[in-house]
Amino acid sequence: EDQVTQSPEALRLQEGESSSLNCSYTVSGLRGLFWYRQDPGKGPEFLFTLYSAGEEKEKERLKATLTKKESFLHITAPKPEDSATYLCAAFSGTYKYIFGTGTRLKVLA
Amino acid sequence: EADIYQTPRYLVIGTGKKITLECSQTMGHDKMYWYQQDPGMELHLIHYSYGVNSTEKGDLSSESTVSRIRTEHFPLTLESARPSHTSQYLCASSEVGTLQETQYFGPGTRLLVL
Repeated sequence: EDQVTQSPEALRLQEGESSSLNCSYTVSGLRGLFWYRQDPGKGPEFLFTLYSAGEEKEKERLKATLTKKESFLHITAPKPEDSATYLCAAFSGTYKYIFGTGTRLKVLA
Repeated sequence: EADIYQTPRYLVIGTGKKITLECSQTMGHDKMYWYQQDPGMELHLIHYSYGVNSTEKGDLSSESTVSRIRTEHFPLTLESARPSHTSQYLCASSEVGTLQETQYFGPGTRLLVL
C-alpha cells in the first residue's frame, strides 16, 4: 500500500538552530515528491517539487533533497517566521497524491 | 504564486442546511480536487475532476457532490449539513501535461455545523 510518513511530528528549534525534517515514502512509480508549508487555518503553500533521486532544490533557508526512499527538508538558521506545519506528498500518477500528516515546526526567538 | 480562490473562508451553519463551497482558479488547469483536512491529520481526497463535465469521487466517502461546468470553477455542495461535516475543506488544481503535476491549493474553507 502506498504510504508517506513524516518525522518528527513536532519540532522546536531555537532561532538559528539548523535541522532536518524527514519524509519517508513507499510509492510505486513515484512521479513527484512535493513539499508544502501550511500556516494555521490556511491552505498548503507550494515549496518544492522533486522527481529524481539525487535532486536538490533550494529556496531561502530551505533545501529539499530526494533519495529513492525518502526526502529531507533542511532548514538552515531558521527564524521565527519559519514556524509552520510542513507537509510532504507523493504523486504516483492520475489523481493520486498521498500526503503525510506533517511536521509542526516551532522556531523560538 | 497560485491563483486559486475559495469562498467563503469561514462558515457557521445549522444542521440540515444546504451549502455550496466555491472554488475558482485562473491558471487554466484541467485537473481540480477537493480535500478534507482535520487538525493534525493528513489531507483526504473527496472529489476530483479531469476537466469540464468530468467528476469522480475520491478515496474518502463523502455526502457531498461537485460539478464542473466551466474549467475555472469547481463548486462543492452539501445538500444537508451535519455536525460530522465540520472540517476544513481545501480546493486544489494541477496542470495536465507536466511530468510532476504540481498541485496548488486555495486558502481553504473552515466549516462548522451546529
